[in-house]
Amino acid sequence: DTEVTQTPKHLVMGMTNKKSLKCEQHMGHRAMYWYKQKAKKPPELMFVYSYEKLSINESVPSRFSPECPNSSLLNLHLHALQPEDSALYLCASSQDRARWDTGELFFGEGSRLTVL
Amino acid sequence: KQEVTQIPAALSVPEGENLVLNCSFTDSAIYNLQWFRQDPGKGLTSLLLIQSSQREQTSGRLNASLDKSSGRSTLYIAASQPGDSATYLCAVLNSGNTPLVFGKGTRLSVIA
Repeated sequence: DTEVTQTPKHLVMGMTNKKSLKCEQHMGHRAMYWYKQKAKKPPELMFVYSYEKLSINESVPSRFSPECPNSSLLNLHLHALQPEDSALYLCASSQDRARWDTGELFFGEGSRLTVL
Repeated sequence: KQEVTQIPAALSVPEGENLVLNCSFTDSAIYNLQWFRQDPGKGLTSLLLIQSSQREQTSGRLNASLDKSSGRSTLYIAASQPGDSATYLCAVLNSGNTPLVFGKGTRLSVIA
């Protein structure tokens, strides 16, 4: 099973709403990632969790709050978003970030977020 | 700082043609290079992963090569089909706690 599952597939929210995106993998991977992708652009890294600890935060605004409850789950909590935050949010996982890992990333299908 | 460039940005070919997508990177001290495919509005599908010690990888009609010293990788697609139409992204991982760096992608259209 090389699957990363993201829910919901589509989300529409107002600027005052609080919502969450969820990501799940059962490959035993210990590194999980959130990416943001705008139309016709490559994915931009937001956060990296390694062994359930936040490893990289690419200066993301605090209205995005990641959470890694366990090694299989990754959440992205959304609050007071702006219309320009509308994008495809991609979750990914990899085995580890140690040197013996191949470093291969596996992506989910993404959550399409629209902020009104 | 690693920079990844993909040429061409867009490519349109008739069905059946063999084609080559190019990827170049500025820092040759890479850990691996990964080619992805992305259909419109969808996630990324990993096509091929080449470790820094490898020269090429093959999967079906796809062949990816890596020349670390010149900072280049190519993705060769044989006998292209309309179903190959998608955006192809090249991404490079350097050693250490550094994130994957993506190129901007090549949008491929295979015309029946």
